[in-house]
Amino acid sequence: QVQLVQSGAEVKKPGASVKVSCKASGYTFTNYGISWVRQAPGQGLEWMGWISAYNGNTDYAQKLQGRVTMTTDTSTSTAYMELRSLRSDDTAVYYCARDPRIAAAGFDYWGQGTLVTVSS
Amino acid sequence: DIQLTQSPSFLSASVGDRVTITCRASQGISSYLAWYQQKPGKAPKLLIYAASTLQSGVPSRFSGSGSGTEFTLTISSLQPEDFATYYCQQVNSSPRTFGPGTKVDIK
Repeated sequence: QVQLVQSGAEVKKPGASVKVSCKASGYTFTNYGISWVRQAPGQGLEWMGWISAYNGNTDYAQKLQGRVTMTTDTSTSTAYMELRSLRSDDTAVYYCARDPRIAAAGFDYWGQGTLVTVSS
Repeated sequence: DIQLTQSPSFLSASVGDRVTITCRASQGISSYLAWYQQKPGKAPKLLIYAASTLQSGVPSRFSGSGSGTEFTLTISSLQPEDFATYYCQQVNSSPRTFGPGTKVDIK
């Protein structure tokens, strides 16, 4: 069965960086992309960006350009999202989701979420 | 960027009720729309993609319709497990924006 398992919660100080991992299993990793979505406390869903696990192509949300980097390690079927220069408003649950980026497909499998808290 | 609005933002309903949620896009997106259900503390769950295609394993009381700029999610007979927040998402272009959500609560 398809599973996306994310790394554990993080507490960071403002200005620091965080790197969240998302380990995929149950499907051919390179046949799909991974999108990252975050959700601030009590708020809605915000799409952060996408990476192709096939060729590493990326597509980032403009507001995060320059602060976010998404990568994959095909040898371990793991996707990573690094966010730098953290601010208090980056406090959120971060999700990875399988994103085929074909036709009108949605995000069909999600990780369990990783809480990132930014606090001095 | 394509903006999505949802109405209502909050809905109070009873078990057995028929519930309809509307999602409007700021420009035409053909049928490139998905619907998700999210329960507190859980990841979103894909219900419908391509505006009207039911994701595998999702109960048939959920249905979606629409194209262009106006879309609806209908729950034909609300069940206790359906009390949650529902989000639409456009997958027509980047950024893959989400609607602000509709919370369905128990009357």
